Amino acid sequence: EPEVTQTPSHQVTQMGQEVILRCVPISNHLYFYWYRQILGQKVEFLVSFYNNEISEKSEIFDDQFSVERPDGSNFTLKIRSTKLEDSAMYFCASRVGSSGKNIQYFGAGTRLSVL
Amino acid sequence: RKEVEQDPGPFNVPEGATVAFNCTYSNSASQSFFWYRQDCRKEPKLLMSVYSSGNEDGRFTAQLNRASQYISLLIRDSKLSDSATYLCAGYGSSNTGKLIFGQGTTLQVKP
Repeated sequence: EPEVTQTPSHQVTQMGQEVILRCVPISNHLYFYWYRQILGQKVEFLVSFYNNEISEKSEIFDDQFSVERPDGSNFTLKIRSTKLEDSAMYFCASRVGSSGKNIQYFGAGTRLSVL
Repeated sequence: RKEVEQDPGPFNVPEGATVAFNCTYSNSASQSFFWYRQDCRKEPKLLMSVYSSGNEDGRFTAQLNRASQYISLLIRDSKLSDSATYLCAGYGSSNTGKLIFGQGTTLQVKP
């Protein structure tokens, strides 16, 4: 069964450092997403991406965050200067189309620990 | 009112019990809703989708009540392996596919 893959599974970084979280969406999917989940809290939307541009972003997704699809397979989330409060699970998701019946599939996540 | 709201629980039930969770939503434009299952520190995995009035899959039944703006999930004959957090989610009105999640309901099934 096709799946969304994310690397690394766990990233430890120092405050102020840049991190790049990587995702390979399901191959025929066109819509890509990043979510985060702080420990003990709900899953929160960060950004949606389609046709090589951001289609929507949340208030959390400030100037410190950026996304990129550098080639035909990868979808990355960059945090320029990490803060302690960026520590969370980051989930990538993708779906094949824009219909409300198209399901989003999630990757296993990257646990980001900012020290 | 939060966009998607759930009772966090925990719901502690014995094996074999029937348990029901409710989820309320505030965006009447939402057309599609989903129940995801999340195990500790893992990704959400789709359990069921609910587009019209309801959906059934084995021991699981989801219902959508648009008039009252809630979605329910019924689990019959609970198994120990059903212990998890159940997340209710709906697409936002922006049509970008942004999923809005509730905070999740924790279920503990005990022998």
